[in-house]
Amino acid sequence: DVKVTQSSRYLVKRTGEKVFLECVQDMDHENMFWYRQDPGLGLRLIYFSYDVKMKEKGDIPEGYSVSREKKERFSLILESASTNQTSMYLCASSTGTANYEQYFGPGTRLTVT
Amino acid sequence: QKEVEQDPGPLSVPEGAIVSLNCTYSNSAFQYFMWYRQYSRKGPELLMYTYSSGNKEDGRFTAQVDKSSKYISLFIRDSQPSDSATYLCAMRKTGGYNKLIFGAGTRLAVHP
Repeated sequence: DVKVTQSSRYLVKRTGEKVFLECVQDMDHENMFWYRQDPGLGLRLIYFSYDVKMKEKGDIPEGYSVSREKKERFSLILESASTNQTSMYLCASSTGTANYEQYFGPGTRLTVT
Repeated sequence: QKEVEQDPGPLSVPEGAIVSLNCTYSNSAFQYFMWYRQYSRKGPELLMYTYSSGNKEDGRFTAQVDKSSKYISLFIRDSQPSDSATYLCAMRKTGGYNKLIFGAGTRLAVHP
């Protein structure tokens, strides 16, 4: 069974703090993704990575950065958290180019106050 | 205009009803069409996918793609309370790496 784990289920941070969200997958998948999910907007892609140390911007990369030093781990960084980054953050992974099947983690509910 | 439009619902039906969930899209280059199911406090999971046009059936679930109308549907027969979840459609183009474009999701509640 593919397992994607995220470091926290709930997180509360203050405006201006640096925030790290960690994601680990155990199926040796090449591709990893970070999305945010907001009511009425669905899932929006922030960044993705198709290989170690490789990263590509998604639709809404502003205010975020990522790091992929190991194949199984993909980190999302909020350099200076703002209230409009309050959201559900979902990590996903997939194999090769058949990325229509993405495996998602349980999500991190981030609140920035 | 969003590339993928999906009615957010909520949709409430009695147990045993036939449920129809729909998405429309604007990009004719989409070739892969997926339905993901998301239970409360969980991440989405792939339910079905279809390549190009046509129907695909899996148990009580049927996915339909009408490329001429740019319209996809998911039908659930004999709906059960365990089907209560948010259903998200997703699409991508073919060839190389292409990101998935998700609809906003439709919340479904099946009551006993």
